[in-house]
Amino acid sequence: AQSVTQPDIHITVSEGASLELRCNYSYGATPYLFWYVQSPGQGLQLLLKYFSGDTLVQGIKGFEAEFKRSQSSFNLRKPSVHWSDAAEYFCAVDTGTASKLTFGTGTRLQVTL
Amino acid sequence: GAGVSQTPSNKVTEKGKYVELRCDPISGHTALYWYRQSLGQGPEFLIYFQGTGAADDSGLPNDRFFAVRPEGSVSTLKIQRTERGDSAVYLCASSSDPGGRGYTFGSGTRLTVV
Repeated sequence: AQSVTQPDIHITVSEGASLELRCNYSYGATPYLFWYVQSPGQGLQLLLKYFSGDTLVQGIKGFEAEFKRSQSSFNLRKPSVHWSDAAEYFCAVDTGTASKLTFGTGTRLQVTL
Repeated sequence: GAGVSQTPSNKVTEKGKYVELRCDPISGHTALYWYRQSLGQGPEFLIYFQGTGAADDSGLPNDRFFAVRPEGSVSTLKIQRTERGDSAVYLCASSSDPGGRGYTFGSGTRLTVV
């Protein structure tokens, strides 16, 4: 069965600093990969997704992620973090069967001013 | 509607009671999903509907949980004989693509069993 690991439970960065959130997955083939953001009391918002093709994917709010097959990783990056980016970030995989997502446990991002 | 609507937003119930959680998907979306998010965890898949039928209910934890979507639009998640361990946020999502490549999630129903 597929699994997703987000090794960082909590990350704190200063506003304006760069950000990288780690995501590793376990699956025999190339899965479909997603990053979602969840603000307190809100639903999950899709930031970006990778299905195939260019391994560097651009998303909303200035986020990007890079798929690295050799490392089974799909790390999320942002060059300059804004205070409004403080939220919980979830990486997810869809192996293409029944369209169900397997989520990581999330990384909580705190932004200091 | 413009987004996925879930009602109620909060529900407090006593142990052993029956609860129903409602999801109103985006109009025209044929695929509908239920997930459960426990405190400090990522969402976990419960059930997936394609139209009126449950295409995959492998995530339902036991027979106390049941979901319906009788007309292929609104769905209701039903929990019988609630237990304190059922306390969680229940998320609904819908998609126009049966492959579900990037759903739209609702804001969830926070269920607290006391």
